[in-house]
Amino acid sequence: GDSVTQMEGPVTLSEEAFLTINCTYTATGYPSLFWYVQYPGEGLQLLLKATKADDKGSNKGFEATYRKETTSFHLEKGSVQVSDSAVYFCALSDHRGGANSKLTFGKGITLSVRP
Amino acid sequence: DVKVTQSSRYLVKRTGEKVFLECVQDMDHENMFWYRQDPGLGLRLIYFSYDVKMKEKGDIPEGYSVSREKKERFSLILESASTNQTSMYLCASKDRDTLSYEQYFGPGTRLTVT
Repeated sequence: GDSVTQMEGPVTLSEEAFLTINCTYTATGYPSLFWYVQYPGEGLQLLLKATKADDKGSNKGFEATYRKETTSFHLEKGSVQVSDSAVYFCALSDHRGGANSKLTFGKGITLSVRP
Repeated sequence: DVKVTQSSRYLVKRTGEKVFLECVQDMDHENMFWYRQDPGLGLRLIYFSYDVKMKEKGDIPEGYSVSREKKERFSLILESASTNQTSMYLCASKDRDTLSYEQYFGPGTRLTVT
């Protein structure tokens, strides 16, 4: 079945540091890929997405590029802020279910940013 | 603005109790989902529904049931709560439009079973 693998955490960075969070996937066909973020005490919210190979999703200074050849969707940000402290989930959606397709999530990684 | 609400943020129940977790969305979405979130395991799908009175098992349905009597409301039921069901429960909804795969999440219910 489909699966998403995220790098082990937690990750602790100083403010203004560069961030990379690795995500690789296994799927049949051509899934859509997502990064969701969960701020403390809240539910998940979509951070960015890419629906086909070589697409780059971006939002709030975060970027991720859909790499079909390496089956990866790594999340990057050039300069993190304390407010970026959260749990980040990589996810994919297969298209086999059509309108009823589901998401498969990675295990999530906790990012803490120090002032 | 899109909104998914869950009936409780925190809930404490005793082993063997019947527990109802309620989720309401105001976006007229056809698809709704229940997940549980556990440290080191990420989100795991319990059940989902793609229409009123329709339901499908997810990856971990054992010990749970669901009810969808109205389009906006999706309930998760623990028939006889057990300590291994202590977890964070997240509800989500999604438009059935095939071009939109985004799910919208509620704030979660942290359930403790003692």
